[in-house]
Amino acid sequence: DAKTTQPNSMESNEEEPVHLPCNHSTISGTDYIHWYRQLPSQGPEYVIHGLTSNVNNRMASLAIAEDRKSSTLILHRATLRDAAVYYCIRQKGFNAGGTSYGKLTFGQGTILTVHP
Amino acid sequence: EPEVTQTPSHQVTQMGQEVILRCVPISNHLYFYWYRQILGQKVEFLVSFYNNEISEKSEIFDDQFSVERPDGSNFTLKIRSTKLEDSAMYFCASSERLNYNEQFFGPGTRLTVL
Repeated sequence: DAKTTQPNSMESNEEEPVHLPCNHSTISGTDYIHWYRQLPSQGPEYVIHGLTSNVNNRMASLAIAEDRKSSTLILHRATLRDAAVYYCIRQKGFNAGGTSYGKLTFGQGTILTVHP
Repeated sequence: EPEVTQTPSHQVTQMGQEVILRCVPISNHLYFYWYRQILGQKVEFLVSFYNNEISEKSEIFDDQFSVERPDGSNFTLKIRSTKLEDSAMYFCASSERLNYNEQFFGPGTRLTVL
């Protein structure tokens, strides 16, 4: 049980921003929010992660709601290469005293289609 | 840029045969993982490995499965007696740290059991 909810699919046009939502209403205080994506016929690829604050990196931005019950992955300018399945994953923080050992639990993700 | 490599890219085997899937994680990484993805389904965690022992395993990872780090570079997944339902893409991943862990995935090995 991935314990996150994402839309099955979304569409975007090339060079437009894309906002991919994720609901994780039962998140606990030490769970991290990770985003991975999987391009066709490839292994998953790390995109970004965060805990409480919004995060930016060269690939994307992650906006985390103040109550942490939802988050949004933002691709600022979609390219054709961004067409992939995007996974929002909760992961227990090791400092919670838990025994996560890094396990990632993937859901079905959101299939992003980018139109030229 | 360092990357995780996996061999072979495609393995075909007969039911009941043993297979060994090989992975070379990124050299300074300490945590290693195997996942699998049956065609059309989601990616499933199999096992995590740290300090030469299994840290966590899923229900899928039964007695037919084993992992090993035989030397300083390779990380292997062995399936002792393959079943038809073992047909899947198997992904190896590694990470440098446990917390804040960005996992780097390999390209996968497609296992076909006939």
